Amino acid sequence: GAGVSQTPSNKVTEKGKYVELRCDPISGHTALYWYRQSLGQGPEFLIYFQGTGAADDSGLPNDRFFAVRPEGSVSTLKIQRTERGDSAVYLCASSFGGRGEQFFGPGTRLTVL
Amino acid sequence: KQEVTQIPAALSVPEGENLVLNCSFTDSAIYNLQWFRQDPGKGLTSLLLIQSSQREQTSGRLNASLDKSSGRSTLYIAASQPGDSATYLCAVKGQGGSEKLVFGKGTKLTVNP
Repeated sequence: GAGVSQTPSNKVTEKGKYVELRCDPISGHTALYWYRQSLGQGPEFLIYFQGTGAADDSGLPNDRFFAVRPEGSVSTLKIQRTERGDSAVYLCASSFGGRGEQFFGPGTRLTVL
Repeated sequence: KQEVTQIPAALSVPEGENLVLNCSFTDSAIYNLQWFRQDPGKGLTSLLLIQSSQREQTSGRLNASLDKSSGRSTLYIAASQPGDSATYLCAVKGQGGSEKLVFGKGTKLTVNP
């Protein structure tokens, strides 16, 4: 079956612009996660959804970052007033329930010029 | 705060050699541990998941062990092949209600033909 998909695969934007990154989880997975990976580092947790609600958003770095999952399936990570330090690969994962094995998408590489 | 360390940061071996990658974590109260593989510019592929009650898991040429009390896991790769070249990441999920994974920085493995 289809895995986790993310669009776009690459996004180049200018400092100060707004961006949206999309994640389509594995069908039937109720839990969805966003992580951010900088060069040479492991992924760092941003936010976790169980169904439509954000169960844990403790990893969001500041209020410029926001994520939604309105129908409990597709999620969008939104970044306002982008900064050069936001440049990273944004990874999405999903699992069957919060305790299940997490399966990752290919990521979106965000570059802020 | 959980911290995950992977040693070595990079490893280069000749084809056919057996090898061990190490992962340590500071808080032994984990729910499970996952090993992932990441190819350059790609997302994460789950290799093995070990529940906290388990001691090891095997898949093909891969064997992962877990010693929760000492905060250690190892990934053993038998008869390495050039196609095994990738970065290997270890991640733990805590018991305390947060479903996030905490990752190490990874070990970059190169298997030379």
